Amino acid sequence: IQMTQSPSSLSASVGDRVTITCRASQSIANYLNWYQQRPGKAPELLIFTASSLQTGAPSRFSGSGSGTDFTLTISSLQPEDFAIYYCQQGYSIPWTFGRGTKVEIK
Amino acid sequence: EVQVLESGGGLVQPGGSLRLSCTASGFTFSSFAMNWVRQAPGKGLEWVSIISGGGGNTYYADSVKGRFTISRDNSEDTLYLQMNSLTAEDTAIYYCAKGSSLWSGYFDSWGQGTLVTVSS
Repeated sequence: IQMTQSPSSLSASVGDRVTITCRASQSIANYLNWYQQRPGKAPELLIFTASSLQTGAPSRFSGSGSGTDFTLTISSLQPEDFAIYYCQQGYSIPWTFGRGTKVEIK
Repeated sequence: EVQVLESGGGLVQPGGSLRLSCTASGFTFSSFAMNWVRQAPGKGLEWVSIISGGGGNTYYADSVKGRFTISRDNSEDTLYLQMNSLTAEDTAIYYCAKGSSLWSGYFDSWGQGTLVTVSS
């Protein structure tokens, strides 16, 4: 299953609302997960099964979607949110990731 | 606190072998699937392999099938990845990633990674 993220990068300011989209090449129900990777660090789980917030993840992160189209929204961008975000399908093996969206400071 | 810690990376020649280890703590190791995920320098994430909590089920990415073997020792809370016939394309940071249950499609805890460099 191919995962396509858009945009590949974006520039935004602190306080902005940011939306990242992820599209699967076939229906994956709600088996879609989002990860954040800060520079030089391991990825961290943000959202699982499309819309469930991982324990400890800030509430400004939210996810939605089902089937083939999904979104990750950051309601008010904070300095620590500048990172790369990856979507990943957990519907069928091989698990596959999107190519990432780099969120940069404007 | 859940922790996973990888070790065993390093420099290896093309065609060589390496075994990675991942020691776990803070959770009942045998109750959770475990994965290896890798990231080539400057690139995105690539899932490599999964093993079920009991160790009876394993799957691999096509890119490593037949060359890599995942295993676990639940008595030692340790995950392994035996890597044979290594090529330059296997150069990456290898992350140990905990599944959320006996068998699950997402990774709720990650190690810091161990770097494998395949070069002559």
